[in-house]
Amino acid sequence: KQEVTQIPAALSVPEGENLVLNCSFTDSAIYNLQWFRQDPGKGLTSLLLIQSSQREQTSGRLNASLDKSSGRSTLYIAASQPGDSATYLCAVEYTGANNLFFGTGTRLTVIP
Amino acid sequence: KAGVTQTPRYLIKTRGQQVTLSCSPISGHRSVSWYQQTPGQGLQFLFEYFSETQRNKGNFPGRFSGRQFSNSRSEMNVSTLELGDSALYLCASSSGDLQETQYFGPGTRLLVL
Repeated sequence: KQEVTQIPAALSVPEGENLVLNCSFTDSAIYNLQWFRQDPGKGLTSLLLIQSSQREQTSGRLNASLDKSSGRSTLYIAASQPGDSATYLCAVEYTGANNLFFGTGTRLTVIP
Repeated sequence: KAGVTQTPRYLIKTRGQQVTLSCSPISGHRSVSWYQQTPGQGLQFLFEYFSETQRNKGNFPGRFSGRQFSNSRSEMNVSTLELGDSALYLCASSSGDLQETQYFGPGTRLLVL
């Protein structure tokens, strides 16, 4: 079964801290992995997409890495801000599938 | 360029009724996917339409159906609503090519009483 797991489920950090969110997946035959942000009651905002041939992607204070062999991805957020408070979801597109398998998310709270 | 739009944003129905949700993709996108988000099950894939054809389908009962029009707009229908169908329904659009980013709409929140 193709599963995606995110740890921790919730995380609270003081403003300014660097933090890492984790995502693991059971099948290494992936096309890509995507990180999303979801604010309460809202849709999803795509943050970063890593192709299966890539090891990492960066956008501003965000850096996502991908290790297919170990079935893991991390999202690194530098110098966290209160505006970063949201639920972060990772999603995997497996080979042969035209849909995303989502993790359960990590709810991040950045305390001013 | 306008983003993905979904209508209505909120909906209240009673058990046994049916409901139709609408999704307009980003201009030029030919693929529309539908997802259900619930607190217990998280985000689960319902189905994907590409050029008016269902290309992929998740593990949901036949009460859940969809279609796509020639302008790429998509509708999702749920018949004989159950309490467990209460959820946030999200649609996502993309070009339809593999390994392309999917862009999500704001969702339709359905409450079944």
